[in-house]
Amino acid sequence: GNSVTQMEGPVTLSEEAFLTINCTYTATGYPSLFWYVQYPGEGLQLLLKATKADDKGSNKGFEATYRKETTSFHLEKGSVQVSDSAVYFCALMTLTALIFGKGTTLSVSS
Amino acid sequence: DTAVSQTPKYLVTQMGNDKSIKCEQNLGHDTMYWYKQDSKKFLKIMFSYNNKELIINETVPNRFSPKSPDKAHLNLHINSLELGDSAVYFCASSAMGTTTGELFFGEGSRLTVL
Repeated sequence: GNSVTQMEGPVTLSEEAFLTINCTYTATGYPSLFWYVQYPGEGLQLLLKATKADDKGSNKGFEATYRKETTSFHLEKGSVQVSDSAVYFCALMTLTALIFGKGTTLSVSS
Repeated sequence: DTAVSQTPKYLVTQMGNDKSIKCEQNLGHDTMYWYKQDSKKFLKIMFSYNNKELIINETVPNRFSPKSPDKAHLNLHINSLELGDSAVYFCASSAMGTTTGELFFGEGSRLTVL
């Protein structure tokens, strides 16, 4: 079946540190892949996406590359800010719905 | 104007009661969803409707009954509430047939069952 596995959190970083959140997936075919972000007390927002192998999604300094050979879609940011503190969800699109990973909580301190 | 709005935002109730959560979207989307987020932040799809027709019904107790009076609304009714129903319920919508995966989420409805 379709599933998404992401690294367990919480991830705690100092401002300007480098961020990586690992995500791997299991799916039939080549689904579109996504990162969603949930800020405290809010719903989820699309952060970035990639729809085919080797595509790189990017937004707000975050990047992720669709790697077919490793079935991965790791999220990276070169220099995190306090305002990046949130829960990050990796997801894949099936024919009918988004399937989410368990979420990784990021906490950035100044 | 809020794109996807849910009411109520907070709901505290006793076990055994029946409650409803309402959702409305003004984006003109054809597909709407209910997701449940547990205390560990895990998000699970519950239902999906496309043009008022049910297209996903995951393994959810039949105490949960979604109703879509029109394609802009998807309400969730829960009978005989149990402690384990305590969670945040998110409504979302997307354009029909989209492969872009962009779902627009409401702010969530936090249900606490005592």
